[in-house]
Amino acid sequence: SQQGEEDPQALSIQEGENATMNCSYKTSINNLQWYRQNSGRGLVHLILIRSNEREKHSGRLRVTLDTSKKSSSLLITASRAADTASYFCATDDGNKLVFGAGTILRVKS
Amino acid sequence: EAQVTQNPRYLITVTGKKLTVTCSQNMNHEYMSWYRQDPGLGLRQIYYSMNVEVTDKGDVPEGYKVSRKEKRNFPLILESPSPNQTSLYFCASSLVPSTDTQYFGPGTRLTVL
Repeated sequence: SQQGEEDPQALSIQEGENATMNCSYKTSINNLQWYRQNSGRGLVHLILIRSNEREKHSGRLRVTLDTSKKSSSLLITASRAADTASYFCATDDGNKLVFGAGTILRVKS
Repeated sequence: EAQVTQNPRYLITVTGKKLTVTCSQNMNHEYMSWYRQDPGLGLRQIYYSMNVEVTDKGDVPEGYKVSRKEKRNFPLILESPSPNQTSLYFCASSLVPSTDTQYFGPGTRLTVL
């Protein structure tokens, strides 16, 4: 089954900087979702972007989707130490979501 | 409060000893699923359920069983656990399968010795 692949695997930035994570996938999708996971805890939904949308905002989050390149990016602006977490993209595959391996973000204060 | 609960949160067991991890949601969601998370592999779906009495295999179903007798509950059963099932397990639910927000439980960390 298809899988989103996040890039980079790990990212370390200073508080206040922007963080960009990318996701690539293999086959056509109806939507793409981004989730966040604090260490060892359950995933929390951040944002969903549909295949007919190109960009979506939610607070300090901006997600873009390029279906021609089969890729998406998640931008977190003005990062905070509390943004330290793993971030996953998930693509729909029939009756299920398929998750990538995630990007570990560390925001240093 | 809308939530997905899992029990136990932590479990250490021995090879071959049957165990059940419970999952319950209070949002009247039709879709429920189980994932396992292993370092470097992300989340992989074990089983999912579209509704009561309707279950199907995910990507890694070997060694697991599930049942969906009530809408709110979706237990994961390991009939004869093995060390390669040591993992972090998550239950999730949503209104519809893949076009809706998935709500995740807090996770169950299982160690099989």
